[in-house]
Amino acid sequence: GQQVQQSPASLVLQEGENAELQCNFSSTATRLQWFYQRPGGSLVSLLYNPSGTKHTGRLTSTTVTKERRSSLHISSSQTTDSGTYFCAMEANSGTYQRFGTGTKLQVVP
Amino acid sequence: GGIITQTPKFLIGQEGQKLTLKCQQNFNHDTMYWYRQDSGKGLRLIYYSITENDLQKGDLSEGYDASREKKSSFSLTVTSAQKNEMAVFLCASSIYLGAYEQYFGPGTRLTVL
Repeated sequence: GQQVQQSPASLVLQEGENAELQCNFSSTATRLQWFYQRPGGSLVSLLYNPSGTKHTGRLTSTTVTKERRSSLHISSSQTTDSGTYFCAMEANSGTYQRFGTGTKLQVVP
Repeated sequence: GGIITQTPKFLIGQEGQKLTLKCQQNFNHDTMYWYRQDSGKGLRLIYYSITENDLQKGDLSEGYDASREKKSSFSLTVTSAQKNEMAVFLCASSIYLGAYEQYFGPGTRLTVL
């Protein structure tokens, strides 16, 4: 079945540093989305990016569909960015998304 | 805006017990989902429902039943609770199955004694 792998599994940054999170998937994605989960909390959608580059605030996502990968870049990290980031992909239209394993980010002052 | 509520927030049961988790949404969304999140891991889809009275199995449906009696509510039953399924169960909804925006509830944490 579809596999969605994320790297790194965890990351510790100093406040102000940039973060680069990777998502690789085993089949062509028709839908690719990044989610954020704060510690002990629920998930919120950050970016929907099935292909190309999308920006929102300090977040930039680049998805290269034919290479089956997506990245999430967080610039000038803040302590409030700490939490777990998930990518989720849908292989075929009209099916459900599968989630990656997550990257746990900790930003320290 | 809308909201998804899950009850209970914490659920403690005995091994072998049948347990039910409930989810309500007021977005008027057609599609609802149940996910299981094991500690430090990603989400796995248990069941989803495209519309009222519809039920579809996800990747992890064995050991679970689900029920979508009306558009706004989606219940999940653990048919025989086991210690290895202690996890957080997350409910979500989207306007339709292919919609990219999925909204999540706060979760129900299951403990099995």
